[in-house]
Amino acid sequence: NAGVTQTPKFRILKIGQSMTLQCTQDMNHNYMYWYRQDPGMGLKLIYYSVGAGITDKGEVPNGYNVSRSTTEDFPLRLELAAPSQTSVYFCASRKNSGGGTDTQYFGPGTRLTVL
Amino acid sequence: GDSVTQMEGPVTLSEEAFLTINCTYTATGYPSLFWYVQYPGEGLQLLLKATKADDKGSNKGFEATYRKETTSFHLEKGSVQVSDSAVYFCALLPSPGSARQLTFGSGTQLTVLP
Repeated sequence: NAGVTQTPKFRILKIGQSMTLQCTQDMNHNYMYWYRQDPGMGLKLIYYSVGAGITDKGEVPNGYNVSRSTTEDFPLRLELAAPSQTSVYFCASRKNSGGGTDTQYFGPGTRLTVL
Repeated sequence: GDSVTQMEGPVTLSEEAFLTINCTYTATGYPSLFWYVQYPGEGLQLLLKATKADDKGSNKGFEATYRKETTSFHLEKGSVQVSDSAVYFCALLPSPGSARQLTFGSGTQLTVLP
């Protein structure tokens, strides 16, 4: 059971370049999330999805896009990279069984630097 | 809106010392509460959780009790080890079955010295 996997682990981009951060989970979770973590800060939600075909904005969505064509995959797209997007990005997933005990599982993170 | 306030770090302790990291929350309804731990270079891992008032979550010697009257969920450990050095995040889920995301505190960096 791989859990939540993210690729790549590290990436350096130039200003204006684009890239896609990949996230896959094999736990059949319906909810998936993208967070960013800036140095010394907590996590801020970028986008989330409650199921295939359904996505919604979080706290800091500007400069990012997402799609959810399958239950397993939730890629995050950066179209025009900016230095302010230098951060560590975490993908997470959760199975919403309605009982309030659902654990959110995190991937290992992608460290992105925009120069 | 919902919010989580954590004790500011960093916290530095000697091995075998007692640990308390304070966490208070603001939320409507009956949130579930969590502590996550992030070891250097890794993602967040669930440490413990509590889903209703007076519940005590525990794992790896850590404990936290859901106190509705004081809206708190303080993390404690009786004797810390060097391997406990990490960043600890308190978080809440607004209500059971909520589609919303976890709300995280800002994290507390713990360093345990041998």
